[in-house]
Amino acid sequence: EIVLTQSPGTLSLSPGERATLSCRASQSVSSSYLAWYQQKPGQAPRLLIYGASSRATGIPDRFSGSGSGTDFTLTISRLEPEDFAVYYCQQYGDSPLFTFGPGTKVDIK
Amino acid sequence: EVQLLESGGGLVQPGGSLRLSCAASGFTFSSYAMSWVRQAPGKGLEWVSAISGSGSSTYYADSVKGRFTISRDKSKNTLYLQMNSLRAEDTAVYYCALYDGYYYYMDVWGKGTTVTVSS
Repeated sequence: EIVLTQSPGTLSLSPGERATLSCRASQSVSSSYLAWYQQKPGQAPRLLIYGASSRATGIPDRFSGSGSGTDFTLTISRLEPEDFAVYYCQQYGDSPLFTFGPGTKVDIK
Repeated sequence: EVQLLESGGGLVQPGGSLRLSCAASGFTFSSYAMSWVRQAPGKGLEWVSAISGSGSSTYYADSVKGRFTISRDKSKNTLYLQMNSLRAEDTAVYYCALYDGYYYYMDVWGKGTTVTVSS
């Protein structure tokens, strides 16, 4: 079973700053099967990135994903007020079919 | 517009049963695999179960295997999750989601329905 670890647990930044979120897998993950989601309080998750680096429809270009193997990164180039949320990485595998990381909370400094 | 709407949540005693529904619209229902994901209060996301577009293949997390059953009804454009032998740790918001069968990401989510298991 592949375990995803996200760091940091909480990231305190100001609007306009750059956010770098890490997702590390316990075993190598196909880049095709790594996705990132944003979740705000009381809302369902929203797909941001799939295939490690492809932006989902309607996602602003300040969001970017990169990485391969066991290390993946979500970068928000300049934080907007609406970007303060929790971010999850997710991978697809054999068993379990899907695994989510524990999340990184980006809050306002 | 693609939409998913969950229902069926509520308060149930430990050991009890509940059936969740997810009504789908705006797409060809049988063409897409679907999934249930849950989120316990104040916790992260946990994948629960998935089903292929045809319904012929089903998948479960170890935590629910043998207790939960996923199914779908093409005539009603509805996804189901039958939950039996419920435990306190099953308390969560349950989301249904469409997932892409090539890159395996979940790109459309419902708003969720809340299940509380308590005596």
